Formats: sequence, C-alpha cells, structure tokens
Amino acid sequence: DAKTTQPNSMESNEEEPVHLPCNHSTISGTDYIHWYRQLPSQGPEYVIHGLTSNVNNRMASLAIAEDRKSSTLILHRATLRDAAVYYCIPTPLYNNNDMRFGAGTRLTVKP
Amino acid sequence: NAGVTQTPKFQVLKTGQSMTLQCAQDMNHEYMSWYRQDPGMGLRLIHYSVGAGITDQGEVPNGYNVSRSTTEDFPLRLLSAAPSQTSVYFCASSRDRGRNQPQHFGDGTRLSIL
Repeated sequence: DAKTTQPNSMESNEEEPVHLPCNHSTISGTDYIHWYRQLPSQGPEYVIHGLTSNVNNRMASLAIAEDRKSSTLILHRATLRDAAVYYCIPTPLYNNNDMRFGAGTRLTVKP
Repeated sequence: NAGVTQTPKFQVLKTGQSMTLQCAQDMNHEYMSWYRQDPGMGLRLIHYSVGAGITDQGEVPNGYNVSRSTTEDFPLRLLSAAPSQTSVYFCASSRDRGRNQPQHFGDGTRLSIL
C-alpha cells in the first residue's frame, strides 16, 4: 500500500484559495489518487480523483506532480462549509477495497 | 434520491448483546462495504461485497458478520458485542469495484458498547 503524508491541520480564511498537500512517494504506477472529505458528524464525501493529469470539477482542482509522488487539492474559494477533514488516498485501479484512509488534514476556515 | 441509508443513527448495547446495523442503497450499486472509524483515526475496512451473494473480509473483520442477499441491502451483524467495538460505523457503495468509481457513504451509526 502506498503511504501518504498530509499535514495534521491547516487554516484558511473564507473566500481565499486553499492548497492541501499530500505526499505519496511510494505510489504504484497504476494507483489513482483520490480525495475525500469528511464534514463533522457525516460520512466521507468524494471530492475528486486523477491519475497523471491535473483534474478539475465543480468542487475542486487536483494538481498532480509530474513524478506522481505528491499531489495538491485546490479549493479555489474556501467557504465555511469546506471546513472538514480531507483525505488523500492512493487507490489501486481495480480494488476499491484497498482504499486506506489515513488521519487526513483538518481544514479550519475562518470567517 | 436517498443514496446510502444507515439505521439506526445511534445505539447503546451491553457487552454480549447482538445487533444488526442496516445499510441500504437505491443507486443499483454492485459494490458495498463497511468501515469503522475510531477517534482520531481514519476509516478501516471491515467487510465488503462485490455483488449479491458475494462477500469478503477487509482489514478488521473479527467479531462481525455480513451477508448480501439483495443488491440494495448489506447488513452488518455483531454477534456478541464487546467494548472494543465501540465506534462509528459507515457503509459505502459504488457502481462497481474497479475503474475508480467514487464511493458514496452513509452518515454513520454511532455505536457504544457498555
């Protein structure tokens, strides 16, 4: 399993961009990089995923380093609702059961 | 569209009691799974199912049983509850096991064993 390293916590101001880093230096060549977030008292919520290219969706952008050893989740304008724990999860292509949630990064958004 | 529904939301049990945590999804997803989350830790996989009639063990299966008689339902059974099983339990589903389908999670069952 690929090991991940994320900051324990980060703070952001409302309406400012947030860059959440993740180091996954042991990632396999076929592992996708998934990001989930977990709001207080809720189950995890899918945010975005990618393999090699940068990805964008309505929630966020995912920037993947050229060597794939790290990635960054970008929230373009943080809102109070974005306060959550964010998980970076390298996931084997055909094994969702191999998703390993670490401790994640707790994002605090200040008004 | 309800998504993944877990019941009950809260439960308190005594050591040795049994109970079933219910999970239902209305998205016709083939893949379903159960996780537990302990304070300050990430989620750990208990059991999963790739389709009706097929189940397998995850990372922490001891003390739990599952079955999958229909596509929609995936109950988790605690046969003899122990205090170590005090946790928050999440059920998840996805369209299939592979091709990187996003997993959809329920809101969890908060279980306390006294």
